[in-house]
Amino acid sequence: DAGVIQSPRHEVTEMGQEVTLRCKPISGHNSLFWYRQTMMRGLELLIYFNNNVPIDDSGMPEDRFSAKMPNASFSTLKIQPSEPRDSAVYFCASSLPGGGKFFGPGTRLTVL
Amino acid sequence: QQPVQSPQAVILREGEDAVINCSSSKALYSVHWYRQKHGEAPVFLMILLKGGEQKGHDKISASFNEKKQQSSLYLTASQLSYSGTYFCGTDNLGGADGLTFGKGTHLIIQP
Repeated sequence: DAGVIQSPRHEVTEMGQEVTLRCKPISGHNSLFWYRQTMMRGLELLIYFNNNVPIDDSGMPEDRFSAKMPNASFSTLKIQPSEPRDSAVYFCASSLPGGGKFFGPGTRLTVL
Repeated sequence: QQPVQSPQAVILREGEDAVINCSSSKALYSVHWYRQKHGEAPVFLMILLKGGEQKGHDKISASFNEKKQQSSLYLTASQLSYSGTYFCGTDNLGGADGLTFGKGTHLIIQP
């Protein structure tokens, strides 16, 4: 079975540019999570969805961040405009309700 | 609120045992444990639910003390493959899916 798929795996962009990260969860999982990982802050929950509906976006740092889940098999996290402090590894994870989270390989974002 | 993990780092010889602790200042509904190797994604190890259960996974097991709001991860007869950073993730809301992760415990196993 395919795991969580994320793209791109690496993204280098300049400050002010728009960045879109993509995620395909494991088929059948109805919970999807976006996490950000940095050395300073560790693993932070940004937002999560249940059955494609955003449940908690309190971790989204600013209005520059937005996330969508138009269907059960696809989600995007967008940063517009991007800033150097957004540099991090962004993980998407999926799970069954209350179950263990299965993480994708992550997108390493560098904003210059 | 972020759970507190201890110790921050452990260095062991192959075959030795380790205990990693995770404590929360809020009531816990469940605790998840993950291992992350350098440059990779966190990998789910096990979940413990309210009720003080203990679980095992090969030579890795965990306990959950609901009253103390703590969980501990036990690694027995450690192997080189156990090296990595261990994270606990806590659910304080009961049934909510979003976990809050601790800062991690770095485990180094030497031959």
